[in-house]
Amino acid sequence: DARVTQTPRDKVTEMGQEVTMRCQPILGHNTVFWYRQTMMQGLELLAYFRNRAPLDDSGMPKDRFSAEMPDATLATLKIQPSEPRDSAVYFCASGTGGTQYFGPGTRLLVL
Amino acid sequence: GEDVEQSLFLSVREGDSSVINCTYTDSSSTYLYWYKQEPGAGLQLLTYIFSNMDMKQDQRLTVLLNKKDKHLSLRIADTQTGDSAIYFCAEGDRGSTLGRLYFGRGTQLTVWP
Repeated sequence: DARVTQTPRDKVTEMGQEVTMRCQPILGHNTVFWYRQTMMQGLELLAYFRNRAPLDDSGMPKDRFSAEMPDATLATLKIQPSEPRDSAVYFCASGTGGTQYFGPGTRLLVL
Repeated sequence: GEDVEQSLFLSVREGDSSVINCTYTDSSSTYLYWYKQEPGAGLQLLTYIFSNMDMKQDQRLTVLLNKKDKHLSLRIADTQTGDSAIYFCAEGDRGSTLGRLYFGRGTQLTVWP
């Protein structure tokens, strides 16, 4: 049963610290998405990749967020420096041909 | 734009049918999706429908699509307490293979015993 995996599942950090979230997409999926979910904003698309190339990162605060795919089995989302307003659940999803499959999320709390 | 609208809350009694409604704006969307999110979990794909269909049934789930009114609904028959979750409607990007989806805010379904 292929699944998207994300690490860590939970992260508590202090303001100003760097946070790195990792995602392993389902093998064979060529599109990877990063979303952020909060009560106020709902589900927001931050960035997505196709065949490891970034297609759109307009949803990300550019000054502090960065997303990369070092290889086909790993996607990373970094926040540096982190701020309390970054507290949210971050989801990775992968897909091919339209349907997306979500990971369990990383719950981030920035104090 | 690609706005997807859903009502935020729905409460039903166990055993009744639930109907969750969604409206969308992009008439060229190829696929329309329903996802379910349980507490503390990611979004789980429930079902999807091609835009050239008007109905799809999958066990207790029935999806109805009215393209003229850009209205999508999800009916859950014999709703159970385990169906309590947030349900997201999503439409696919216009005719592209990029796979981007546009999500609604989600409908919180509460099932009372």
